[in-house]
Amino acid sequence: DVKVTQSSRYLVKRTGEKVFLECVQDMDHENMFWYRQDPGLGLRLIYFSYDVKMKEKGDIPEGYSVSREKKERFSLILESASTNQTSMYLCASSFTGLAFFGQGTRLTVV
Amino acid sequence: DQQVKQNSPSLSVQEGRISILNCDYTNSMFDYFLWYKKYPAEGPTFLISISSIKDKNEDGRFTVFLNKSAKHLSLHIVPSQPGDSAVYFCAASAYTGNQFYFGTGTSLTVIP
Repeated sequence: DVKVTQSSRYLVKRTGEKVFLECVQDMDHENMFWYRQDPGLGLRLIYFSYDVKMKEKGDIPEGYSVSREKKERFSLILESASTNQTSMYLCASSFTGLAFFGQGTRLTVV
Repeated sequence: DQQVKQNSPSLSVQEGRISILNCDYTNSMFDYFLWYKKYPAEGPTFLISISSIKDKNEDGRFTVFLNKSAKHLSLHIVPSQPGDSAVYFCAASAYTGNQFYFGTGTSLTVIP
């Protein structure tokens, strides 16, 4: 079974904090993604990576950065958390056209 | 610009009846389409897919239909069960790319 694991299910952070969301996959997939899900807006792509140390901006990269130092790990960084970054964050990995998602991290910025 | 659209935010269906969820896309380069199901506080799980060389794919109670000329696909669930109540996302990808484009989702409620 493919496993994509996100480090936290729920997080509460203060405005201005630097926040790290970690994601690990165990299937040696080349591609990894970070999405956020908001009501009425569906899944919006923040960043994706198709190889170690490679990254591409998605539709809404502002306020975020990513790191992929190892193939199995893809980290999303909120440089200075703001209340409008309160959301459900979903990590995914893919190979041959099928994406597998982690369980999601519900981040609340207060 | 939304390349994959699900115009119905919600749908309610009686248990045992058919649920039909619709999805439209604009990019003719898309050649692989997927449906994901998502329960609250969980990640989306893959449900069924279809390649552009087909117009129908079946898996148990779930059937996906693709109309390439209309750039439209639909997911049929027959018979609908209360456990099918979830948000359903349509997604598309192109063979030449490595991104997935998701719709905004349809929340299905199956009424017992």
